[in-house]
Amino acid sequence: GALVYQYPRRTICKSGTSMRMECQAVGFQATSVAWYRQSPQKTFELIALSTVNSAIKYEQNFTQEKFPISHPNLSFSSMTVLNAYLEDRGLYLCGAYGGDRYEQYFGPGTRLTVL
Amino acid sequence: QQQVRQSPQSLTVWEGETAILNCSYENSAFDYFPWYQQFPGEGPALLISILSVSNKKEDGRFTIFFNKREKKLSLHIADSQPGDSATYFCAASEQQGTGSKLSFGKGAKLTVSP
Repeated sequence: GALVYQYPRRTICKSGTSMRMECQAVGFQATSVAWYRQSPQKTFELIALSTVNSAIKYEQNFTQEKFPISHPNLSFSSMTVLNAYLEDRGLYLCGAYGGDRYEQYFGPGTRLTVL
Repeated sequence: QQQVRQSPQSLTVWEGETAILNCSYENSAFDYFPWYQQFPGEGPALLISILSVSNKKEDGRFTIFFNKREKKLSLHIADSQPGDSATYFCAASEQQGTGSKLSFGKGAKLTVSP
């Protein structure tokens, strides 16, 4: 079956520092990966959509300078939160699409706490 | 603005009852509607989905009813079990090949009492 792993599951960083999170698809080829942030109120914010061999599309209010993403192959993607501050707290989710299917499968998320 | 809306925000049903979660959307171009189930501390898990060419989709105890004209859909959970207690998210996207971005509702917290 289609599985998506994310690590770390939890991370704490000091205000102004950066942290990198990873997403791995197993059992299917992740041609596209969407990164979301889920707030404590459970609202989903789409950060960016990354498709292999295409430019990464960032949503309004999110930039490559703040959330650089790498999607080097069909099973792996990573995102870094640069200069993290309190407003960057939340659960970061990656949703992976595979092949010609339209289902998007999510990982368990990386919970970011900023002190 | 919120493109996908859910109601109610929370719902409590007794074990064995049918839980009904509602969803509506704004964008007429949306044609794919997945429902996700999320337990505390976990990521959302794809539960069931429907394309706009259909008006009903069943998978075990879970059924989606879809009304394209009214831009509404609902998730029915028959014979609810305590293990169904979770937050349910309705989502929507335009299918333009792979990588279409999902718009999520704010979720509905379901509690099934034994």
